[in-house]
Amino acid sequence: ETGVTQTPRHLVMGMTNKKSLKCEQHLGHNAMYWYKQSAKKPLELMFVYSLEERVENNSVPSRFSPECPNSSHLFLHLHTLQPEDSALYLCASSQDSQGAYEQYFGPGTRLTVT
Amino acid sequence: SQQGEEDPQALSIQEGENATMNCSYKTSINNLQWYRQNSGRGLVHLILIRSNEREKHSGRLRVTLDTSKKSSSLLITASRAADTASYFCATDYSSASKIIFGSGTRLSIRP
Repeated sequence: ETGVTQTPRHLVMGMTNKKSLKCEQHLGHNAMYWYKQSAKKPLELMFVYSLEERVENNSVPSRFSPECPNSSHLFLHLHTLQPEDSALYLCASSQDSQGAYEQYFGPGTRLTVT
Repeated sequence: SQQGEEDPQALSIQEGENATMNCSYKTSINNLQWYRQNSGRGLVHLILIRSNEREKHSGRLRVTLDTSKKSSSLLITASRAADTASYFCATDYSSASKIIFGSGTRLSIRP
């Protein structure tokens, strides 16, 4: 138990569906992250939030829309996804977003797009 | 790309042996971190070593950092079946305000 929870753990959705991934951290951290992990590819940083403000957006397609309503919660809204978006989506948090501190990861959401 | 490179990509050893994984990076760093990931799960932080440190220990783990060679190594001594996982290095580059993960080493421990 890392103090970072993610729901759902598994999600199957069609290309026309709209769904959301949720992440919650109980560590009092100021930074939260979304990563995408595909088979045989390095971990890809998608978004970074620091004190609820987005500080990083790594050229992610607009069909992924993040939301950070407060420093403990992070959402990833999904719509009109493609099969290649099937992956493990990981949420993480850290004390700040500058890279000086370790990141705590949630267990991930395994997403399958059909 | 500033991504660190782990070597080897895959490693299979007998239980009880030592496992060594290496990470090379491109430019100057503030710190380097090692993480473990069990299959299909989230990453777990193992050790953070700062650029002014040369070696750190945590239980059966030993991490070294050679800034002149821009490389780090993770040594797991007396390996156990539970050490089977992927291991990633993550570099905090001086020129960037985020850590960048490498592609990982898959470690398998044979009973």
